Amino acid sequence: AQSVTQLGSHVSVSEGALVLLRCNYSSSVPPYLFWYVQYPNQGLQLLLKYTSAATLVKGINGFEAEFKKSETSFHLTKPSAHMSDAAEYFCAVHQGAQKLVFGQGTRLTINP
Amino acid sequence: NAGVTQTPKFRVLKTGQSMTLLCAQDMNHEYMYWYRQDPGMGLRLIHYSVGEGTTAKGEVPDGYNVSRLKKQNFLLGLESAAPSQTSVYFCASRTRQGITPEQYFGPGTRLTVT
Repeated sequence: AQSVTQLGSHVSVSEGALVLLRCNYSSSVPPYLFWYVQYPNQGLQLLLKYTSAATLVKGINGFEAEFKKSETSFHLTKPSAHMSDAAEYFCAVHQGAQKLVFGQGTRLTINP
Repeated sequence: NAGVTQTPKFRVLKTGQSMTLLCAQDMNHEYMYWYRQDPGMGLRLIHYSVGEGTTAKGEVPDGYNVSRLKKQNFLLGLESAAPSQTSVYFCASRTRQGITPEQYFGPGTRLTVT
C-alpha cells in the first residue's frame, strides 16, 4: 500500500527566505503525487500535482515540487516566503483506483 | 459553481446523540469522500462512494454510516456520538474522467462531542 511521510510537523522561516517542505512516499507503482494547502479554518486547496509528465512541477502562488524517483521524494519549495504562505501543507499519494493517502501535515509559520 | 458545500459548519453534540452531515457537489463528480482531520494525523478516510447507490469503507469507518442516494449528495451519519468523534470533517469529490485524480474539498464541519 502507498504511504506518505512528511518530515517536520512544524517549519518556521523568515519572510523572504526559502521554503522547503519535505515529503517522502512509498509506492509500488509509479505514483500520482499531490500537495494541498489548508489556510486557517478552510478546506484543502490543490497546490500542484505530479502525473509523470515532468519531474519539476509548478503550482500556484510560486510553489514548485520536484519528483525524485531515486530518493522517493516530492519536496515542496518556494524561493521567497511571503506572510500569506502561513498555512498547513499536506502531501498525498494516490492509492488504488479511488483513494488519496495523506501525510500528517506540516504547519508553516512565516516570521516577519 | 459552488463546488463542494457542507452543512452544518459547526455542531456540538452530547454523547449518545445522533446527527447527519450533508455534503453536496455541483460538479457532476462520480466519486465522493468523507475524511476526518485530527491534529498531527493528517486526513483519514472514513467512507467513500464511487457512484450513486454505492458506498465503501475507508481507513476509520467505525461509528459512522453513509448514504449516496443522489449523485450530488453524500451523507455522513453518527448514530451514537462519542467524544472520540470530536474532529473536523471534510467532504471531497472528484471526477472519474481524466488521468489526474485530484480531489476537491469542502470547507469542513467542526464537530464537538461533549
